Amino acid sequence: QQQVKQSPQSLIVQKGGISIINCAYENTAFDYFPWYQQFPGKGPALLIAIRPDVSEKKEGRFTISFNKSAKQFSLHIMDSQPGDSATYFCAASNPGAGSYQLTFGKGTKLSVIP
Amino acid sequence: DAGVTQSPTHLIKTRGQQVTLRCSPISGHKSVSWYQQVLGQGPQFIFQYYEKEERGRGNFPDRFSARQFPNYSSELNVNALLLGDSALYLCASNWAQGSYEQYFGPGTRLTVT
Repeated sequence: QQQVKQSPQSLIVQKGGISIINCAYENTAFDYFPWYQQFPGKGPALLIAIRPDVSEKKEGRFTISFNKSAKQFSLHIMDSQPGDSATYFCAASNPGAGSYQLTFGKGTKLSVIP
Repeated sequence: DAGVTQSPTHLIKTRGQQVTLRCSPISGHKSVSWYQQVLGQGPQFIFQYYEKEERGRGNFPDRFSARQFPNYSSELNVNALLLGDSALYLCASNWAQGSYEQYFGPGTRLTVT
């Protein structure tokens, strides 16, 4: 049972455009939602994360939007650059209950073309 | 400061063999988790250790085992390797049970032939 569904599977965006990746979760006990960026041959790098008590969090060009009632959250990358080309994973966990197990989506391969 | 380190970088094993992967967490981090990432998929949780005790276990067979040492480094052991065990094995560390952010190492690429 996939508890975190991520879409789209792949995304092509023009340089300077906005990249949007969506995730939906099923387990209402989740209370921590990070996004990771992974380049080929590398481990995932923590990009930005949000807790359910806020609806939006922004760090530089990256913004997470969170909709608790819909059990959905999304990553927006503003002014996308070719260097942003990577695979992005959403994840969820319930550390408040002592569980640090991250449940990941299947990933979105982002290509930013000049 | 050094991030999470893992060794070896790459490993090729034959079906039925055993393998040991190693991880050193970020300095000061006391918790280590292991994940398996099959090509084209998101990482899947295998184990979490905190203060040398197992605190979480994913849906993996008993062929997978791990331990954490007094210096907080960790080993993942896989026995009786199957072709399907070929994957990138990732280690992540976080400071303590009360901290949320997990930081991943570069992984060990295991190929089973």
